[in-house]
Amino acid sequence: EPEVTQTPSHQVTQMGQEVILRCVPISNHLYFYWYRQILGQKVEFLVSFYNNEISEKSEIFDDQFSVERPDGSNFTLKIRSTKLEDSAMYFCASSVHDSNTGELFFGEGSRLTVL
Amino acid sequence: GENVEQHPSTLSVQEGDSAVIKCTYSDSASNYFPWYKQELGKGPQLIIDIRSNVGEKKDQRIAVTLNKTAKHFSLHITETQPEDSAVYFCAAHDNNAGNMLTFGGGTRLMVKP
Repeated sequence: EPEVTQTPSHQVTQMGQEVILRCVPISNHLYFYWYRQILGQKVEFLVSFYNNEISEKSEIFDDQFSVERPDGSNFTLKIRSTKLEDSAMYFCASSVHDSNTGELFFGEGSRLTVL
Repeated sequence: GENVEQHPSTLSVQEGDSAVIKCTYSDSASNYFPWYKQELGKGPQLIIDIRSNVGEKKDQRIAVTLNKTAKHFSLHITETQPEDSAVYFCAAHDNNAGNMLTFGGGTRLMVKP
């Protein structure tokens, strides 16, 4: 069964460092997303990506964040200068249609710990 | 924007009993309500969804009800089994708010054998 894969599963970094989280969405999917979940809190939307550009982003997704689909298979989330409050589980998701029409398939998450 | 509240945060039931998880939403424009199950160490997985033109939907032991007037929706699991133990998230989608889901805070369901 096709699945969304994410790497790394866990990353520990120092405050101020750049981090890149990688995702391989399901191959025939057209919409890509990043969500995050701070420990004990809600799953929060960060950004959606369609047709090689950001289609929606939340207030959390500030200038420190960027996304890219560099080679037609990977979908990356970059945090330019990490802060302590960026520590969270980051989930990548993909869907065939937009999130009102079809199921989102989530990866297993990348846990980011900022020290 | 949309706000989704979910209760209870933890729920413990005996195997074979029913479990009910309730969510409320704030934006009357929301029209799609999925439920996700998250097992330990895995990402959320869709288990059932309902749209605002339907009041109830059932899939084997799982059912979801929607009350648009009161802006709440519920997940019902009957004949619970230990493998139902997981964290369950409700979510809402507002067609006017682009392409994002707003999630509830999650319910940790524990089914005791």
